[in-house]
Amino acid sequence: GDSVTQMEGPVTLSEEAFLTINCTYTATGYPSLFWYVQYPGEGLQLLLKATKADDKGSNKGFEATYRKETTSFHLEKGSVQVSDSAVYFCALTFQGAQKLVFGQGTRLTINP
Amino acid sequence: NAGVTQTPKFQVLKTGQSMTLQCAQDMNHNSMYWYRQDPGMGLRLIYYSASEGTTDKGEVPNGYNVSRLNKREFSLRLESAAPSQTSVYFCASSEEAYFRPQHFGDGTRLSIL
Repeated sequence: GDSVTQMEGPVTLSEEAFLTINCTYTATGYPSLFWYVQYPGEGLQLLLKATKADDKGSNKGFEATYRKETTSFHLEKGSVQVSDSAVYFCALTFQGAQKLVFGQGTRLTINP
Repeated sequence: NAGVTQTPKFQVLKTGQSMTLQCAQDMNHNSMYWYRQDPGMGLRLIYYSASEGTTDKGEVPNGYNVSRLNKREFSLRLESAAPSQTSVYFCASSEEAYFRPQHFGDGTRLSIL
């Protein structure tokens, strides 16, 4: 079945470091891909998305590019801040699927 | 901007008790979802409702029932709570198109003793 695999956490970085959180997927077609972020005590919020191959989603300094050839959607940010500390989820869905498939989440902690 | 509102935020139950988790959205979305979140397992879909009047099982429906009361409200019921149902429960809603993002509530933290 369809699945999403994220790099295991937790990930701990210093402020202003470069961030990469890996996400790969297994799917029978061409899904839409999402990154969601969950801050402590809150629900998930959409961070960015890409709906077709080679699309780049971006928001709040985060970017991810839909790579069909490597079935990946890695999340990157050039200079992280303490306020970026959260759990990040990669997810996919298909047209007509009516539901998201989530990765297991990656907890990110940024130290000042 | 309320978005998706879940009640209660916290609850402790004893094994065998029943409970209904409430969810309401004010974005006029057709689709609504219930997930559970457990450590290291991401979010797993319990039930969803593609439109008012329809409900479908997700990945982990056993032990739960749902009701799509109207377009705004989608409730989740535990008829006989078990310790394995200790989790954080999230409700979400979205527009119909598959690439539209889901909007999440803040969750209900449920403990079954």
